[in-house]
Amino acid sequence: GAGVSQSPRYKVTKRGQDVALRCDPISGHVSLYWYRQALGQGPEFLTYFNYEAQQDKSGLPNDRFSAERPEGSISTLTIQRTEQRDSAMYRCASSSGGELFFGEGSRLTVL
Amino acid sequence: GIQVEQSPPDLILQEGANSTLRCNFSDSVNNLQWFHQNPWGQLINLFYIPSGTKQNGRLSATTVATERYSLLYISSSQTTDSGVYFCAVERNYQLIWGAGTKLIIKP
Repeated sequence: GAGVSQSPRYKVTKRGQDVALRCDPISGHVSLYWYRQALGQGPEFLTYFNYEAQQDKSGLPNDRFSAERPEGSISTLTIQRTEQRDSAMYRCASSSGGELFFGEGSRLTVL
Repeated sequence: GIQVEQSPPDLILQEGANSTLRCNFSDSVNNLQWFHQNPWGQLINLFYIPSGTKQNGRLSATTVATERYSLLYISSSQTTDSGVYFCAVERNYQLIWGAGTKLIIKP
């Protein structure tokens, strides 16, 4: 596609529910990143894929967070048993050759 | 780890003014990018500039990698330039972000 596409754009869920956030990167981009951004702060690294391989997941806050990219294109970030502190903007970015391009983000609100 | 410091943290200007935003980083990096986060939350690429100078309309950027800093220049600022400007450096594929400069352009 023309840009990085994320869905849903907005998600409101109740505490304890699972959520799945989707990222469709720019066509041909081999690298895919997930970031989380709290209001007024810069993005915080969560995880990184090179093709389908998850190269780094050191930024995932705990084991309720997981991500996959099974065919080296679309990626899903899953948060299990959501908690209020998980509320944030979740951003996906893709790159090919260094420059990162971000999607619009998925704003998650956990009630 | 690498430290990225941006200055000033806040800047309020009248429309038409020029400004210079600075990004210092503490170690050698592979790449550097400038982003603009507008008031609607969109994160927009401005420059991918590991070294040298680039210009795009009223905006230009210079990175002096050997001295570990980058500058973003905004000329003839407009109200649509308001938002937060982030500098991010790449090392070993991870982007390390500065805290941003919050720019407000008054009409």
